[in-house]
Amino acid sequence: QVQLVESGGGLVKPGGSLRLSCAASGFTFSDYYMSWIRQAPGKGLEWISYISTVGATIYYAESVKGRFTISRDNAKNSVYLQMDSLTTDDTAVYYCARKRLARPYDFWGQGVQVTVSS
Amino acid sequence: DIVMTQSPDSLAVSLGERATINCKSSQSVLHSSNNKNYLAWYQQKPGQPPKVLIHWASTRESGVPDRFSGSGSGTDFTLTISRLQAEDVAIYYCQQYYGTRDSFGQGTKVEIK
Repeated sequence: QVQLVESGGGLVKPGGSLRLSCAASGFTFSDYYMSWIRQAPGKGLEWISYISTVGATIYYAESVKGRFTISRDNAKNSVYLQMDSLTTDDTAVYYCARKRLARPYDFWGQGVQVTVSS
Repeated sequence: DIVMTQSPDSLAVSLGERATINCKSSQSVLHSSNNKNYLAWYQQKPGQPPKVLIHWASTRESGVPDRFSGSGSGTDFTLTISRLQAEDVAIYYCQQYYGTRDSFGQGTKVEIK
């Protein structure tokens, strides 16, 4: 069955870094675009980054541009999010989700908590 | 970037009654090449990731009950739950996938009156 499993979250101090991973299984990973979407406590969904099937096209939300880097390894069926210069505003549950081009997100992981606090 | 605005922020509806959620985009999400609206609706229950209910503004995903329906075109869209059930208590989000950057509405919380 389709699975997306996020890992790498935790507690980090402002200005610190974290690298999130999302391991995919149960489908042909290289056929799908992958995104990271986050949800701050008690808030709505915020799309933050997207990577195309072979990584040729990448987009970021303005709120993370220049600080976060998305990447993927199709041989390992994984997508990553390197998060640098973290601030308290980055505290959220981070979801990875899959989609096809010009389609909605049809499967999401369970999410991983990232807490930025001194 | 396309901004999505939902209304209301929350609503309380009696069991068996109709719930209506509106979503407005800051620019049209109707693609002229295929005449499709690049608009989806999601349901999120506490402690769970979102689940897509509807895509192309009005096409129900497989397995979604037919009491859920979507309508609208261009910039104005509606999600209707025709006969609210207890299991429909959730937060509902619209999302556009027209632009290079996806975006979500702020969410509408549906509760039982």
